[in-house]
Amino acid sequence: EIVMTQSPVTLSVSPGERATLSCRASQSVSSNLAWYQQKPGQAPRLLIYGASTRATGIPARFSGSGSGTEFTLTISSLQSEDFAVYYCQQYNNWPLALTFGGGTKVEIK
Amino acid sequence: QITLKESGPTLVKPTQTLTLTCTFSGFSLSTSGVGVGWIRQPPGKALEWLALIYWNDDKRYSPSLKSRLTITKDTSKNQVVLTMTNMDPVDTATYYCAHRLPYYDVLTGYPFRGFDYWGQGTLVTVSS
Repeated sequence: EIVMTQSPVTLSVSPGERATLSCRASQSVSSNLAWYQQKPGQAPRLLIYGASTRATGIPARFSGSGSGTEFTLTISSLQSEDFAVYYCQQYNNWPLALTFGGGTKVEIK
Repeated sequence: QITLKESGPTLVKPTQTLTLTCTFSGFSLSTSGVGVGWIRQPPGKALEWLALIYWNDDKRYSPSLKSRLTITKDTSKNQVVLTMTNMDPVDTATYYCAHRLPYYDVLTGYPFRGFDYWGQGTLVTVSS
C-alpha cells in the first residue's frame, strides 16, 4: 500500500501570507495526486487533480506542483475562508487504490 | 446540479452488518464513465477510501477492508449501497459517498482523477 505523508501537521499563517503544504508518497505515484480542502463539519472539496490541475471553480490562488513522490499545494495569499484542513490523495489506477494523507491544518496565526 | 445524500443507521452493535445507502441526483449511473465511491472519516482523523463502483458495474475496494465490504448499485433508483460486515468500535466514523470526477483519456479510458461532489456524510457509531 502506498503511504501518503503530509507536513507539517499544523501550519500557522497570517491572512494574506503564502502557505506551502507538502505531501510525500512512499513510492512514485507519477502525477496521480489530488488535493482536497475540508472545513469543520463539512465534506471535503476537490481543489486539485493530476497534481496541478485546478478543479472547476477553484480560485487561482490555489496551485499544485510535483510528481513522483514529492508534491506541494501552495495558497498564494491566504483568505479567511482558506483556513481549513487539507488532504492529499493518491490514485494508483492499476489496480485502483486510493489513499489519503493524514492532513495539514492551516490555522490563523 | 449534482447532489448526493447518505442514509442508514446511526448506531450499530459490534459484529453487526452496516448497510448504507447513497441516493443521488443530477447524474445517472448508466452513463459511461460515471462512478460513485464511499469514504469514511473517524472523528478527528483522516479520510479513508472504502469502495468505488462504476457505470459498468466494475467494483473496486480498499485492499485492507475488501473482505468486509460489498458495493452495489440500483440504477433505476439512483442509489448506491455499501455493506460492511462485522462492525467494530474502530469503525465509528462519518461515512461519505462521492461522485467520481468525469474524466476521459483516449489512451486509458476512464481513469480516476478525484471525487468532485460529496454527500454531507452520516455519522455511524459502533457501540454495544
